[in-house]
Formats: sequence, C-alpha cells, structure tokens
Amino acid sequence: DIQMTQSPSSLSASVGDRVTITCRASQSISNFLNWYQQKPGKAPKLLIYAASSLQSGVPSRFSGSGSGTEFTLTISSLQPEDFATYYCQQSYRTPWTFGQGTKVEIK
Amino acid sequence: EVQMVESGGGLVQPGGSLRLSCAVSGFTFSSYWMSWVRQAPGKGLEWVANIKYDGSEKYYVDSVKGRFTVSRDNAKNSLYLQMNSLRAEDTSVYYCARVKGVRMLNSNDWYDSFDPWGQGTLVTVSS
Repeated sequence: DIQMTQSPSSLSASVGDRVTITCRASQSISNFLNWYQQKPGKAPKLLIYAASSLQSGVPSRFSGSGSGTEFTLTISSLQPEDFATYYCQQSYRTPWTFGQGTKVEIK
Repeated sequence: EVQMVESGGGLVQPGGSLRLSCAVSGFTFSSYWMSWVRQAPGKGLEWVANIKYDGSEKYYVDSVKGRFTVSRDNAKNSLYLQMNSLRAEDTSVYYCARVKGVRMLNSNDWYDSFDPWGQGTLVTVSS
C-alpha cells in the first residue's frame, strides 16, 4: 500500500499568515494527489485535485503543487474560516490512502 | 443541487451485521463510480470501497474484504454497504462519496477524487 505522510501534524497560525502543509508519498504517485478540508462534525470537502487543480467554488488563496512523492498545500492568507483539519489523499492505486491529517489552529 | 444522505448506522454487537444506505439526488447516479470512506472517532479518513457506475467492478480495503459488500441500485439512486462480522475496530462514521473523475488535457489518465460527500452515519460496534 502507498503510505501518505503529512507534516506538520498540527500548526498554530494567525489570520493573514501564509500556511504550507506538506504531504509525502512512500512511492511516486505522479500527480494523483488530492487535498480535503474537514471542519469538526462535518464531512470533508474537496479543495484541490490532481495536485494543483482548484475545485470549483474554492477560494483562490488555496493552491497545491508537487508531483512524484512530495506535495504541498498552501493557504496564501489564512482566514478565520480556514481553521480546520486538512488531509491529502492519493488516487494513483487502490487502496486509495489518506495522510493522517494536519490540524490548523488559531494562534 | 446534489444531495447524498446516508442512513442505517447504529449500535451493533461484535459479530453482528448492518446495512448502510446512501440515497442520492441531483445528478445522474448511474454515470458515476461511488465510494464509502470511514472515520473512526477522533481519527483520520480511511477509504473502504469503490463500485463502478454499473456495479461490474468493486474494490475494497484489505481490512474489510470478505466481510463488507458494496452494491448499488441505479433505478433507486441508492448505494449500499452490507457489513457482516463487525468488529470493534469498524466503529466509525461512514461517508458515501461520489467519485469525481477528471481527464486532464493531453492525458489518457482519469484523476479521481471524492466530491461531494454525504453527512455520514455513525456505526458503533460494542457489546
């Protein structure tokens, strides 16, 4: 199975900060990488697919990059509604696997 | 508007069975692969199963193979997950999700992701 590892596991940031979350795959997954946002008690929401494509309706402050084994999700200017947990997920090969999540908290 | 509503969760004893349903509206259900994804309390996300739009292909995570069966009824716009021989470690919120497949320009590959998701249904396996 392909293991996905996110770093950091949690971070504290202030409104307006630039935030970067890293996701590493245990083997090359080309750009078959997605990012999701999950708020407490809610279902996850797709933010980025195919490593860098912004899902319709998602603010442009969210961006994704990377290919192969290393990927990043960047929030250019953190907003109050962005405090949540973020997950990466590979769809290169089943079993599709997720990272363990990165919790973004208010500083 | 796309809506996906799960039902069927509840408390079940170890070794018991449960059938989850996901009622879909707002899109052509019969054209999409569908998935089940679960999340144990306070934990991360785990993909459970996929089913092709016509039900002809199914894929499972190893931990549920032989115990869980995914199925669909395209006439009823419904997705199901039959769960047998349940274990404590199956305790989770179970989400149904549509597989969004995108073929990028100049590529023969389909890039799959989960979008949208239902609200989830909680399954608790405990004596």
